[in-house]
Amino acid sequence: QVQLQESGPGLVKPSQTLSLTCTVSGGSISSGSYYWSWIRQPAGKGLEWIGRIYTSGSTNYNPSLKSRVTISVDTSKNQFSLKLSSVTAADTAVYYCARDYMAFDYWGQGTLVTVSS
Amino acid sequence: QSALTQPASVSGSPGQSITISCTGTSSDVGGYNYVSWYQQHPGKAPKLMIYEVSNRPSGVSNRFSGSKSGNTASLTISGLQAEDEADYYCSSYTSSSLGMVFGGGTKLTVL
Repeated sequence: QVQLQESGPGLVKPSQTLSLTCTVSGGSISSGSYYWSWIRQPAGKGLEWIGRIYTSGSTNYNPSLKSRVTISVDTSKNQFSLKLSSVTAADTAVYYCARDYMAFDYWGQGTLVTVSS
Repeated sequence: QSALTQPASVSGSPGQSITISCTGTSSDVGGYNYVSWYQQHPGKAPKLMIYEVSNRPSGVSNRFSGSKSGNTASLTISGLQAEDEADYYCSSYTSSSLGMVFGGGTKLTVL
């Protein structure tokens, strides 16, 4: 059974860079034809796809966030990571990582990141 | 890329059937059979209910079904139960970003 777990700071100051890591267990991040995605959800609002990475390292990003987002993968640690630069209060949200096979079949529990000074 | 369009809310009585629509464009819903549906209860991560328009993952009740016509996909829940009360989101592959896009979400109330 594949499991995903997000980790990282719960509080980030405005203008700084948000950094999160997703650790995958129960299977190799390199096996199968999967993408690995980041998704966020502001309180009381809907889901927003941020971007994804394939195990080859190729990435796709939401155009609205593309200039500020970097997603990377560390296959040796079975992890993939999100960096979102120049954050503002609008980036406050629960951030999820998920396995992506053109559908998100496994999700992390989510981690709340608050942008505040 | 624009979010897919879903009704903000739907409701139904126990035992009834409801349908939630998800409207996109030929660049996403209409162009690919990569439409999926998610159920989210408060404070929980979303759960995959339908993938590739009409396929149910193992363990998902057959009361949930999906379909697509043109640029609009639909999720139908039959035999409504109290536990079905939740938010539902559609998602699709989109060629505009070579990635994914979500609908705005629909709150289902079981009366």
